[in-house]
Amino acid sequence: ETGVTQTPRHLVMGMTNKKSLKCEQHLGHNAMYWYKQSAKKPLELMFVYSLEERVENNSVPSRFSPECPNSSHLFLHLHTLQPEDSALYLCASSQVLAGAYEQYFGPGTRLTVT
Amino acid sequence: DAKTTQPNSMESNEEEPVHLPCNHSTISGTDYIHWYRQLPSQGPEYVIHGLTSNVNNRMASLAIAEDRKSSTLILHRATLRDAAVYYCILREANTGNQFYFGTGTSLTVIP
Repeated sequence: ETGVTQTPRHLVMGMTNKKSLKCEQHLGHNAMYWYKQSAKKPLELMFVYSLEERVENNSVPSRFSPECPNSSHLFLHLHTLQPEDSALYLCASSQVLAGAYEQYFGPGTRLTVT
Repeated sequence: DAKTTQPNSMESNEEEPVHLPCNHSTISGTDYIHWYRQLPSQGPEYVIHGLTSNVNNRMASLAIAEDRKSSTLILHRATLRDAAVYYCILREANTGNQFYFGTGTSLTVIP
């Protein structure tokens, strides 16, 4: 595997379900990110982990819970979601260095909440 | 978060140059200008970035105005594979690794 991978690619869940999205980066980076992309809206930065420590939580509802067990893996745990949470969830990684910060994105998980 | 303004959409003929503008009048002296693009059904991919001087790479060129309040992404010969949404983003120096995407410019390439 190369780059940033995300599983599953598609997920349909009910509002009472609990599921998790997984992201893995094979680039040796030390920062990872979750973004949400809703239809016809800009990408929204949800969470940032730098050196495995969460450094940003942009007022995301508590029904989204991130976990970063090591520098290569990032999870987004989902529970009691709402239909408006249906979106494309993108994971990204980067190497935090002065002047760099190029982010590499995965293909995303298309989530539908019914 | 820093703001950028881009046209919603642009069209270009195949094999013609494309100039994608971006205004960022509130840019601060240490903010980097980044460009990403998102092809259909894919995550965004890095195109180019710069601080003050014009930059060239294998994908594109970035022209930065002298006052840094605007920039232009230049695709020298558009191909059908360049059809995508192009995002101009300011990376704020004090927030380091956090990017705030706008709505971008949807580029259509006409054969």
